[in-house]
Amino acid sequence: AQSVTQPDIHITVSEGASLELRCNYSYGATPYLFWYVQSPGQGLQLLLKYFSGDTLVQGIKGFEAEFKRSQSSFNLRKPSVHWSDAAEYFCAVGLGFQKLVFGTGTRLLVSP
Amino acid sequence: DAGITQSPRHKVTETGTPVTLRCHQTENHRYMYWYRQDPGHGLRLIHYSYGVKDTDKGEVSDGYSVSRSKTEDFLLTLESATSSQTSVYFCAISETTSGGYEQYFGPGTRLTVT
Repeated sequence: AQSVTQPDIHITVSEGASLELRCNYSYGATPYLFWYVQSPGQGLQLLLKYFSGDTLVQGIKGFEAEFKRSQSSFNLRKPSVHWSDAAEYFCAVGLGFQKLVFGTGTRLLVSP
Repeated sequence: DAGITQSPRHKVTETGTPVTLRCHQTENHRYMYWYRQDPGHGLRLIHYSYGVKDTDKGEVSDGYSVSRSKTEDFLLTLESATSSQTSVYFCAISETTSGGYEQYFGPGTRLTVT
């Protein structure tokens, strides 16, 4: 069955430091991949997506992600974290009928 | 925000009572979804719809039913609420884009079953 694994439940990063959030997927075909962000008490916002082509995709708020087929990974990165980036981040893989299967999320804490 | 509203935004109900949550969209999207969000589980798909009167089960559909009698409304019903259905419920639509699609989410409904 298709699944998404986010191995880190919590990550703490100092403000200004770089960030990488890990995501691994299990899917038989070429996947559609997504990253969403959820601020406390809010809904989900799409950060970026990968469908095909260039394996490095750019998103909003300075985020990027790289699709690596050989590692079944789609890790999210940001070169310099801001305090406002503190939130929960979800990776998802797309299925038929445009459904999504989500990982369990990674909570990002930003220290001063 | 893709024109998605959910009602009610908060509800407290007692075990055994029926509950209906409403999702309303204004942009004529074909695909609509209901998810629940629980700590440690991320978002899990309950039911989805691919057109008026066309619905199917998701990963965690037991105890839930849905209806879609018109394009803009997707209703989620808990026939007899249980404490295990205490959760935050999100509705979403999917918008076809160049090469793929994007899902957009409503603001959520916090349901507490006592």
